[in-house]
Amino acid sequence: NAGVTQTPKFQVLKTGQSMTLQCAQDMNHNSMYWYRQDPGMGLRLIYYSASEGTTDKGEVPNGYNVSRLNKREFSLRLESAAPSQTSVYFCASRRQGVGSPLHFGNGTRLTVT
Amino acid sequence: GESVGLHLPTLSVQEGDNSIINCAYSNSASDYFIWYKQESGKGPQFIIDIRSNMDKRQGQRVTVLLNKTVKHLSLQIAATQPGDSAVYFCAENIGPGGGADGLTFGKGTHLIIQP
Repeated sequence: NAGVTQTPKFQVLKTGQSMTLQCAQDMNHNSMYWYRQDPGMGLRLIYYSASEGTTDKGEVPNGYNVSRLNKREFSLRLESAAPSQTSVYFCASRRQGVGSPLHFGNGTRLTVT
Repeated sequence: GESVGLHLPTLSVQEGDNSIINCAYSNSASDYFIWYKQESGKGPQFIIDIRSNMDKRQGQRVTVLLNKTVKHLSLQIAATQPGDSAVYFCAENIGPGGGADGLTFGKGTHLIIQP
């Protein structure tokens, strides 16, 4: 099992450009998440999908959109990138329910110039 | 232990010694806690978890202690090895149910192993 796979690993964008970060999990998990990690800020939730067909905003959703394409895949889109979106982005998944830890991918390092 | 701010707290221990990393949580309604390890350039890796109806849980070389009275969580690593060097952070799940409701992460502690 590959677990949670994220692509690309690195990306540099110019201000105003758009891109989609891809995430796929092969653990048959119901819930999927997008976090960003910034120095001194810890992990902050952008969007999540509790189950296939549903998505909800997290703590910092502005400037992002998501799509739960199917049970395996959850993508994050930046429509018009800004320097404030320079960060490391992590996708995670878990079985639904308390007592179920998140499993993370290895991240996408995004720089917006 | 964990704290806010731009710089992560650092814990430096000798190889072979035991390490104790602390975490204070804020919400008495939290009912599930997780410790993660994050190595440079990688995603957070699950280490061990504990439910609020327990006060101790042991894994391989790791023990998590939960003190609900003072809202304190600790991770003990026995016989620390060079491969244990990483940032460790705790997460708490506030409230019932699955999904994203209330999973909150601490800022992390950087564990450095001295040879």
